[in-house]
Amino acid sequence: GIQVEQSPPDLILQEGANSTLRCNFSDSVNNLQWFHQNPWGQLINLFYIPSGTKQNGRLSATTVATERYSLLYISSSQTTDSGVYFCAVERLNAAAGNKLTFGGGTRVLVKP
Amino acid sequence: GAGVSQSPRYKVAKRGQDVALRCDPISGHVSLFWYQQALGQGPEFLTYFQNEAQLDKSGLPSDRFFAERPEGSVSTLKIQRTQQEDSAVYLCASSLAYPRLPSTDTQYFGPGTRLTVL
Repeated sequence: GIQVEQSPPDLILQEGANSTLRCNFSDSVNNLQWFHQNPWGQLINLFYIPSGTKQNGRLSATTVATERYSLLYISSSQTTDSGVYFCAVERLNAAAGNKLTFGGGTRVLVKP
Repeated sequence: GAGVSQSPRYKVAKRGQDVALRCDPISGHVSLFWYQQALGQGPEFLTYFQNEAQLDKSGLPSDRFFAERPEGSVSTLKIQRTQQEDSAVYLCASSLAYPRLPSTDTQYFGPGTRLTVL
Protein backbone atom coordinates (compact mmCIF):
# COMPACT_ATOMS: atom_id res chain seq x y z
CA GLY A 1 0.00 0.00 0.00
CA ILE A 2 0.88 3.66 -0.13
CA GLN A 3 3.37 4.95 2.45
CA VAL A 4 3.00 8.34 4.14
CA GLU A 5 5.83 9.87 6.15
CA GLN A 6 5.63 13.08 8.14
CA SER A 7 8.42 15.19 9.51
CA PRO A 8 9.45 16.30 11.99
CA PRO A 9 7.77 13.92 14.45
CA ASP A 10 7.85 16.55 17.20
CA LEU A 11 8.05 20.32 17.13
CA ILE A 12 8.28 22.81 19.98
CA LEU A 13 7.64 26.44 19.08
CA GLN A 14 7.65 29.73 20.87
CA GLU A 15 4.42 31.64 20.41
CA GLY A 16 4.69 33.85 17.36
CA ALA A 17 7.15 31.62 15.51
CA ASN A 18 6.63 30.21 12.02
CA SER A 19 7.03 26.56 11.07
CA THR A 20 6.81 24.11 8.18
CA LEU A 21 5.54 20.54 8.41
CA ARG A 22 6.27 18.07 5.64
CA CYS A 23 4.40 15.05 4.26
CA ASN A 24 5.99 12.65 1.76
CA PHE A 25 3.97 9.96 0.04
CA SER A 26 5.07 7.01 -2.07
CA ASP A 27 2.49 6.93 -4.88
CA SER A 28 0.23 9.18 -6.94
CA VAL A 29 -2.82 10.40 -5.03
CA ASN A 30 -6.41 11.45 -5.70
CA ASN A 31 -6.90 13.14 -2.39
CA LEU A 32 -4.68 14.68 0.26
CA GLN A 33 -6.04 16.18 3.44
CA TRP A 34 -4.36 17.91 6.36
CA PHE A 35 -5.95 17.56 9.79
CA HIS A 36 -5.34 19.03 13.23
CA GLN A 37 -6.12 16.70 16.12
CA ASN A 38 -6.80 18.81 19.18
CA PRO A 39 -6.01 17.71 22.74
CA TRP A 40 -9.54 16.28 23.04
CA GLY A 41 -8.93 13.98 20.09
CA GLN A 42 -11.15 15.69 17.53
CA LEU A 43 -9.77 15.60 13.97
CA ILE A 44 -10.41 18.96 12.37
CA ASN A 45 -10.17 19.45 8.61
CA LEU A 46 -7.59 22.02 7.59
CA PHE A 47 -7.17 21.52 3.85
CA TYR A 48 -8.22 19.30 0.98
CA ILE A 49 -5.21 19.76 -1.30
CA PRO A 50 -4.20 17.01 -3.76
CA SER A 51 -2.29 19.67 -5.71
CA GLY A 52 -1.57 23.38 -5.66
CA THR A 53 -1.59 25.93 -2.87
CA LYS A 54 -4.30 27.05 -0.47
CA GLN A 55 -4.38 29.51 2.39
CA ASN A 56 -6.70 29.85 5.34
CA GLY A 57 -5.77 32.58 7.79
CA ARG A 58 -2.41 31.83 9.38
CA LEU A 59 -2.26 28.41 7.76
CA SER A 60 -1.32 27.56 4.22
CA ALA A 61 -0.53 24.36 2.37
CA THR A 62 1.23 23.41 -0.83
CA THR A 63 1.18 20.03 -2.54
CA VAL A 64 3.59 19.19 -5.36
CA ALA A 65 1.93 16.06 -6.69
CA THR A 66 4.61 15.28 -9.27
CA GLU A 67 7.23 15.16 -6.52
CA ARG A 68 4.94 13.45 -4.01
CA TYR A 69 5.10 15.82 -1.09
CA SER A 70 2.98 18.37 0.71
CA LEU A 71 3.91 21.16 3.10
CA LEU A 72 1.83 22.80 5.81
CA TYR A 73 2.90 26.26 6.94
CA ILE A 74 1.94 27.72 10.28
CA SER A 75 2.66 31.41 10.67
CA SER A 76 2.62 33.46 13.87
CA SER A 77 1.87 30.34 15.91
CA GLN A 78 -0.49 30.51 18.88
CA THR A 79 -0.89 28.18 21.85
CA THR A 80 -4.17 26.97 20.36
CA ASP A 81 -2.17 25.56 17.44
CA SER A 82 -0.81 22.86 19.75
CA GLY A 83 -1.83 19.32 18.96
CA VAL A 84 -1.03 16.71 16.34
CA TYR A 85 -1.07 17.48 12.64
CA PHE A 86 -1.84 14.61 10.31
CA CYS A 87 -1.46 14.29 6.58
CA ALA A 88 -3.69 11.66 4.94
CA VAL A 89 -3.84 10.52 1.32
CA GLU A 90 -6.02 8.45 -0.98
CA ARG A 91 -4.10 6.49 -3.56
CA LEU A 92 -4.88 7.31 -7.22
CA ASN A 93 -7.26 4.80 -8.83
CA ALA A 94 -8.01 3.14 -5.53
CA ALA A 95 -10.20 0.12 -6.15
CA ALA A 96 -13.10 1.18 -3.96
CA GLY A 97 -14.04 4.25 -2.10
CA ASN A 98 -11.60 6.86 -0.99
CA LYS A 99 -10.11 5.46 2.20
CA LEU A 100 -7.37 7.58 3.66
CA THR A 101 -3.91 6.42 4.65
CA PHE A 102 -2.51 8.57 7.45
CA GLY A 103 1.03 9.52 8.28
CA GLY A 104 2.37 9.22 11.80
CA GLY A 105 1.69 12.86 12.60
CA THR A 106 3.71 15.82 13.79
CA ARG A 107 3.19 16.68 17.45
CA VAL A 108 3.32 20.44 17.89
CA LEU A 109 3.63 22.26 21.19
CA VAL A 110 3.43 26.03 21.16
CA LYS A 111 4.76 27.62 24.33
CA PRO A 112 3.51 31.03 25.53
CA GLY B 1 -26.94 17.51 12.26
CA ALA B 2 -23.95 19.79 12.22
CA GLY B 3 -21.35 17.04 12.12
CA VAL B 4 -20.55 13.38 12.61
CA SER B 5 -21.55 12.09 16.02
CA GLN B 6 -20.44 8.96 17.81
CA SER B 7 -21.60 7.17 20.91
CA PRO B 8 -20.60 6.29 23.48
CA ARG B 9 -17.64 8.62 23.80
CA TYR B 10 -15.96 6.29 26.28
CA LYS B 11 -16.41 2.58 26.78
CA VAL B 12 -14.72 0.31 29.30
CA ALA B 13 -15.14 -3.40 28.71
CA LYS B 14 -13.88 -6.48 30.44
CA ARG B 15 -11.89 -8.85 28.27
CA GLY B 16 -14.29 -11.19 26.50
CA GLN B 17 -17.25 -8.81 26.44
CA ASP B 18 -18.96 -7.73 23.24
CA VAL B 19 -19.22 -4.00 22.47
CA ALA B 20 -21.18 -1.94 19.93
CA LEU B 21 -20.08 1.50 18.79
CA ARG B 22 -22.46 3.82 16.96
CA CYS B 23 -21.82 6.42 14.26
CA ASP B 24 -24.28 9.01 12.95
CA PRO B 25 -22.82 10.52 9.76
CA ILE B 26 -23.62 13.91 8.35
CA SER B 27 -27.10 13.77 6.83
CA GLY B 28 -27.01 12.85 3.15
CA HIS B 29 -23.43 11.62 3.15
CA VAL B 30 -23.07 8.56 0.95
CA SER B 31 -19.70 7.29 2.16
CA LEU B 32 -18.94 6.18 5.70
CA PHE B 33 -15.60 5.01 7.05
CA TRP B 34 -14.37 3.47 10.30
CA TYR B 35 -10.79 3.98 11.46
CA GLN B 36 -8.88 2.73 14.49
CA GLN B 37 -6.36 4.96 16.23
CA ALA B 38 -3.92 3.41 18.69
CA LEU B 39 -2.25 5.64 21.25
CA GLY B 40 0.40 7.82 19.66
CA GLN B 41 -0.36 6.63 16.13
CA GLY B 42 -2.24 7.91 13.11
CA PRO B 43 -5.69 6.49 12.36
CA GLU B 44 -5.81 3.26 10.35
CA PHE B 45 -8.60 2.28 7.98
CA LEU B 46 -10.97 -0.48 9.04
CA THR B 47 -13.94 -0.53 6.67
CA TYR B 48 -15.93 1.52 4.15
CA PHE B 49 -19.61 1.76 3.20
CA GLN B 50 -21.24 3.33 0.20
CA ASN B 51 -24.82 3.76 1.33
CA GLU B 52 -25.71 0.37 2.85
CA ALA B 53 -23.14 -1.62 0.88
CA GLN B 54 -19.90 -2.55 2.64
CA LEU B 55 -17.44 -2.21 -0.25
CA ASP B 56 -14.16 -2.62 1.60
CA LYS B 57 -13.50 -4.41 4.88
CA SER B 58 -9.85 -5.11 4.26
CA GLY B 59 -8.74 -3.25 7.38
CA LEU B 60 -10.77 -5.21 9.92
CA PRO B 61 -8.12 -6.91 12.09
CA SER B 62 -10.01 -10.12 12.78
CA ASP B 63 -13.35 -11.85 12.36
CA ARG B 64 -14.29 -10.54 15.80
CA PHE B 65 -14.89 -7.15 14.14
CA PHE B 66 -18.15 -6.60 12.29
CA ALA B 67 -19.71 -3.44 10.87
CA GLU B 68 -23.10 -2.70 9.40
CA ARG B 69 -25.06 0.21 7.94
CA PRO B 70 -28.42 -1.40 7.18
CA GLU B 71 -30.35 1.69 6.01
CA GLY B 72 -27.47 3.64 4.57
CA SER B 73 -27.24 6.16 7.38
CA VAL B 74 -26.33 5.13 10.95
CA SER B 75 -23.54 2.58 11.27
CA THR B 76 -22.55 0.24 14.06
CA LEU B 77 -19.13 -1.29 14.64
CA LYS B 78 -19.33 -4.40 16.77
CA ILE B 79 -16.40 -6.10 18.43
CA GLN B 80 -16.98 -9.55 19.84
CA ARG B 81 -14.98 -11.14 22.65
CA THR B 82 -12.89 -8.02 23.17
CA GLN B 83 -9.15 -8.36 23.79
CA GLN B 84 -6.73 -5.91 25.38
CA GLU B 85 -5.18 -5.17 21.99
CA ASP B 86 -8.57 -3.79 20.87
CA SER B 87 -8.07 -0.80 23.19
CA ALA B 88 -7.98 2.25 20.95
CA VAL B 89 -10.00 5.20 19.73
CA TYR B 90 -12.49 4.25 17.04
CA LEU B 91 -13.18 7.06 14.60
CA CYS B 92 -16.01 7.36 12.13
CA ALA B 93 -15.89 9.63 9.09
CA SER B 94 -18.31 10.47 6.31
CA SER B 95 -18.17 12.18 2.95
CA LEU B 96 -20.77 13.28 0.44
CA ALA B 97 -18.85 11.37 -2.22
CA TYR B 98 -21.09 12.04 -5.20
CA PRO B 99 -20.36 13.36 -7.69
CA ARG B 100 -16.59 12.85 -7.28
CA LEU B 101 -15.35 16.38 -6.65
CA PRO B 102 -12.90 17.87 -4.16
CA SER B 103 -15.77 19.33 -2.21
CA THR B 104 -17.52 15.97 -1.95
CA ASP B 105 -14.43 13.86 -1.32
CA THR B 106 -13.51 15.63 1.88
CA GLN B 107 -13.92 13.32 4.87
CA TYR B 108 -15.34 14.70 8.11
CA PHE B 109 -14.55 12.93 11.34
CA GLY B 110 -16.55 12.35 14.49
CA PRO B 111 -15.10 12.79 18.00
CA GLY B 112 -14.36 9.07 18.34
CA THR B 113 -15.13 6.40 20.91
CA ARG B 114 -12.29 5.57 23.30
CA LEU B 115 -12.44 1.86 24.07
CA THR B 116 -10.50 0.47 27.00
CA VAL B 117 -10.44 -3.30 27.48
CA LEU B 118 -9.39 -4.43 30.94
